[in-house]
Amino acid sequence: GAGVSQSPRYKVAKRGQDVALRCDPISGHVSLFWYQQALGQGPEFLTYFQNEAQLDKSGLPSDRFFAERPEGSVSTLKIQRTQQEDSAVYLCASSGTGGEAYGYTFGSGTRLTVV
Amino acid sequence: KNQVEQSPQSLIILEGKNCTLQCNYTVSPFSNLRWYKQDTGRGPVSLTIMTFSENTKSNGRYTATLDADTKQSSLHITASQLSDSASYICVVRTGGSYIPTFGRGTSLIVHP
Repeated sequence: GAGVSQSPRYKVAKRGQDVALRCDPISGHVSLFWYQQALGQGPEFLTYFQNEAQLDKSGLPSDRFFAERPEGSVSTLKIQRTQQEDSAVYLCASSGTGGEAYGYTFGSGTRLTVV
Repeated sequence: KNQVEQSPQSLIILEGKNCTLQCNYTVSPFSNLRWYKQDTGRGPVSLTIMTFSENTKSNGRYTATLDADTKQSSLHITASQLSDSASYICVVRTGGSYIPTFGRGTSLIVHP
């Protein structure tokens, strides 16, 4: 596609529920990033993939967060046993072989609300 | 610790007026600095990118400046339009790292 597509756009989850957020990056983009953005804050790094390899997951806030990109294209961010503090916008970004130096393209994000 | 501080936190201006947003960073070693525009409910979109040797870069009504000595950058918006209402985020990347440091953003509201 022409841009980074994220789904769903909005997700309301009951506390304790598991959720899965999908990111479909620009075709051919090697690098894929997940960010968490709280209201009124800048995006915070969660994890980074190069193709199917998860090279950095240092930003994942707890072991309830899990991300995968099994075929090096679509990625899924899974949050188990959601808590209220997980409420945020989850942004996905991808870039080509030049990495960030050539510019991220961000998706529109998934707004997760845990009630 | 790498940090990016932006000011003001929010700004309200009248349509047609100019404004300047500030970004101070402590990131080292410096690789590049980007300004992003984030409309409500959308992902950030890159406006400009500047490397160490660049002092000024323009993109239409947006002009970014960089002072690598003082580690400061500014984004100047000329003749503001209602569509400029958004959050503007300063992002700095260190050399050798693929994880940039994001500022918290400046929320700009342009009133008619």
